[in-house]
Amino acid sequence: NAGVTQTPKFQVLKTGQSMTLQCAQDMNHEYMSWYRQDPGMGLRLIHYSVGAGITDQGEVPNGYNVSRSTTEDFPLRLLSAAPSQTSVYFCASSFDRGGKLFFGSGTQLSVL
Amino acid sequence: QKEVEQDPGPLSVPEGAIVSLNCTYSNSAFQYFMWYRQYSRKGPELLMYTYSSGNKEDGRFTAQVDKSSKYISLFIRDSQPSDSATYLCAMSHSGGGADGLTFGKGTHLIIQP
Repeated sequence: NAGVTQTPKFQVLKTGQSMTLQCAQDMNHEYMSWYRQDPGMGLRLIHYSVGAGITDQGEVPNGYNVSRSTTEDFPLRLLSAAPSQTSVYFCASSFDRGGKLFFGSGTQLSVL
Repeated sequence: QKEVEQDPGPLSVPEGAIVSLNCTYSNSAFQYFMWYRQYSRKGPELLMYTYSSGNKEDGRFTAQVDKSSKYISLFIRDSQPSDSATYLCAMSHSGGGADGLTFGKGTHLIIQP
């Protein structure tokens, strides 16, 4: 099993550009989520999904969109990148509500 | 006041020492408590998972939860250089797999050989 796979690992964008961060898991987990990690701020929840076709907002959803068309994939879309979105992004999945999250290796995003 | 407080360190100890890491929190509704370990440029990995109050031991690691004091701890015995990492506490009231975990900022731990 590959676990949770995130692509790309690194990305540089210009302000105003859009892009999609990819996340895929092969553990048949129903629950998936996106976090961002900033120095001095810890990990913060952006969006989450409790199953295919069901998504909801987390703590910091502004500027991001998600969709969940399959159990395996949970892409995160940046609509119009801003310097404030410079961060490391982590995708996570879980088998149940219990919070035993499995994380991907992260995408380091810089917005200039 | 942040919901979860955690000293960022760095905490530097010699190899073989007992390490104590801790977090305090303000939300009395939290019931699920976790410790994650994160190596540089990697994703967090789950170390310990506890529901409600009490102790849990797994090898060299012991997690303690004191809900009355809103205080959780992670102890590492016989610390090794490979334990050098950032340790994140995390908690939730409903099971964070569904609607997310609240994380501390992480403590950077350095084990000196």
